[in-house]
Amino acid sequence: NAGVTQTPKFQVLKTGQSMTLQCAQDMNHEYMSWYRQDPGMGLRLIHYSVGAGITDQGEVPNGYNVSRSTTEDFPLRLLSAAPSQTSVYFCASSYYSGAKETQYFGPGTRLLVL
Amino acid sequence: GENVEQHPSTLSVQEGDSAVIKCTYSDSASNYFPWYKQELGKRPQLIIDIRSNVGEKKDQRIAVTLNKTAKHFSLHITETQPEDSAVYFCAASTWDSSYKLIFGSGTRLLVRP
Repeated sequence: NAGVTQTPKFQVLKTGQSMTLQCAQDMNHEYMSWYRQDPGMGLRLIHYSVGAGITDQGEVPNGYNVSRSTTEDFPLRLLSAAPSQTSVYFCASSYYSGAKETQYFGPGTRLLVL
Repeated sequence: GENVEQHPSTLSVQEGDSAVIKCTYSDSASNYFPWYKQELGKRPQLIIDIRSNVGEKKDQRIAVTLNKTAKHFSLHITETQPEDSAVYFCAASTWDSSYKLIFGSGTRLLVRP
């Protein structure tokens, strides 16, 4: 199992450019989430998905789109990058079995918007 | 919505001493409280979690306590070691919605040899 994978590891964008951050998991987890991490602010939830075809907004969804066409993949799209979106982005997947839940984080994508 | 506050933002202890990090939450519906450790440049890693049906949980040198009435929970690390140095995050959600955690702002723990 590769767990949760994210690509790219690092990206530089110019203001106004668009891009997609990729996230994939091979654990057949039902739930997937995107967080951003800014210095001194912890992780903030952007969007999440409870299954293929089902997504919802988190705390800070503006400027981001998501879709979940398969269980494995949950890409995050930046429509028009802004310097305020400079951050580290973490994708996570999780499952709930009734007795235990665990959220697994990917290695992160560092995004710099100039 | 839920709001999680975490204190202190930085904590420096001598090796072998104990460290305590405290979090408060606002939503009484929250009943799942995980703690994550994040080393520099790495992903957050779950170290311990607690549900609201118990007041305390231990795992070797790490323990978490929960006070539902006061809406606060704490991480206790005993016999600290230099490898415990990292940023620690608390979080809250309902126990069947761990995919939408609300995180505290983090505590940078430094263990001095």
